[in-house]
Amino acid sequence: SQTIHQWPATLVQPVGSPLSLECTVEGTSNPNLYWYRQAAGRGLQLLFYSVGIGQISSEVPQNLSASRPQDRQFILSSKKLLLSDSGFYLCAWDPILNYGYTFGSGTRLTVV
Amino acid sequence: AQTVTQSQPEMSVQEAETVTLSCTYDTSESDYYLFWYKQPPSRQMILVIRQEAYKQQNATENRFSVNFQKAAKSFSLKISDSQLGDAAMYFCAYMKTSYDKVIFGPGTSLSVIP
Repeated sequence: SQTIHQWPATLVQPVGSPLSLECTVEGTSNPNLYWYRQAAGRGLQLLFYSVGIGQISSEVPQNLSASRPQDRQFILSSKKLLLSDSGFYLCAWDPILNYGYTFGSGTRLTVV
Repeated sequence: AQTVTQSQPEMSVQEAETVTLSCTYDTSESDYYLFWYKQPPSRQMILVIRQEAYKQQNATENRFSVNFQKAAKSFSLKISDSQLGDAAMYFCAYMKTSYDKVIFGPGTSLSVIP
C-alpha cells in the first residue's frame, strides 16, 4: 500500500541549531514530493517541491533547504534555525493524478 | 498568479444543521482542479472533496457537497447534518494542471455547537 511517513512529530530546538526533517513515501516510485509550512493560525505555504532525485525547486527564499537523496525520500534542513522557523511542517505527495495531495502527519517545530 | 481567498476566518454551526463555507479563486486557466481539505485538531490534513473545472456537475461526498460557479470563480462547501467531528479548519485549494503545485487559501475555522 502507498503511505507517507514524516518524522519527528514534535521538535524543540534552540536558535542557531541545525534542523533535519525527513519524509518518506512507500509503495510507489518517482513521486512528486512537497514541503509546506503552516504558521500558527494561518494557511499553508509551499516551501519546496521535487519531481525527482536531486531535483529541488524553492518557492520562498529563506533559511531552509531541501534535498532528495533517494527516490522516495525528501529532507528539509537548516544549518542555523531562527525563531521565525517555528511552525508546523507538512510533507505531501500526489499518489493519484489530479486527485490532490496526501499529507504526512506533520512536524511541530518550536525554536526557542 | 493564482490566488485562493476564504473570506470567513471563523464560522459556527449547530449540530445537525447545515453550513456553507465560501471560497473564491483567481485564475486565467480554463482547466483546473479545486479541493476542500479538512484539518482537525490533530492537524492531519484530509482531502474532503474535489472538483474538476471542466465538469459542470457539482461534486458530492456523503454529507459534503460543493457549489461550483466557474464564471464567478466561486467554490463553496456545504456541510449537511453537521456533526461534532466536523469541527476543524477547512482549506480551499486550487491546482492548475496535473502534478502542478496546489495553492491553499487561508482557511476557515469551523466550530460545531452541540
